[in-house]
Amino acid sequence: EPEVTQTPSHQVTQMGQEVILRCVPISNHLYFYWYRQILGQKVEFLVSFYNNEISEKSEIFDDQFSVERPDGSNFTLKIRSTKLEDSAMYFCASSGDSGEAFFGQGTRLTVV
Amino acid sequence: GQQLNQSPQSMFIQEGEDVSMNCTSSSIFNTWLWYKQDPGEGPVLLIALYKAGELTSNGRLTAQFGITRKDSFLNISASIPSDVGIYFCAGQGGETSGSRLTFGEGTQLTVNP
Repeated sequence: EPEVTQTPSHQVTQMGQEVILRCVPISNHLYFYWYRQILGQKVEFLVSFYNNEISEKSEIFDDQFSVERPDGSNFTLKIRSTKLEDSAMYFCASSGDSGEAFFGQGTRLTVV
Repeated sequence: GQQLNQSPQSMFIQEGEDVSMNCTSSSIFNTWLWYKQDPGEGPVLLIALYKAGELTSNGRLTAQFGITRKDSFLNISASIPSDVGIYFCAGQGGETSGSRLTFGEGTQLTVNP
């Protein structure tokens, strides 16, 4: 069964460092998303991406964040200068025309 | 942005019991989805609802899209230990949200064997 895959599963980084989280969406999906979940809290929307551009972003997705689809299969989230409060689970998701979003297993980002 | 109120926050039940949880919103959504999340895992889609009034089942799960498009409920019948986890409702589309999902706070379900 097709699935969204994310790497790495866990990333520890120093405050101020750049991190890149990687995702391979389901192959025939056209809509891609990043969400985050701070420990014990609900899942929060960060950004959606369609047709090689950002289609929507939340107030969380500030200038420190960027997304890219560098080739036909990968979708990345970059955080330029990490802060302690960026520590969270980051989930990639993708959907087709139905709008049903399928999530990856997540990357646990720990900023120290 | 749109806010979802999900209740109850947590439930402790005996194996075999039925469970019901619901979400309400101050504004309308075009789609309601229900997800289950196990510890350390990503949300897994359980049921998607597309039409106001729609009632959809998936095995022991039944969900309904409220007539007003501002609410949804999820029922689990004859619960089993593997039903343990956090259940999230999510709304999509509507007045402001586009394709993004707005998640509820989650219902933590514990099933005692």
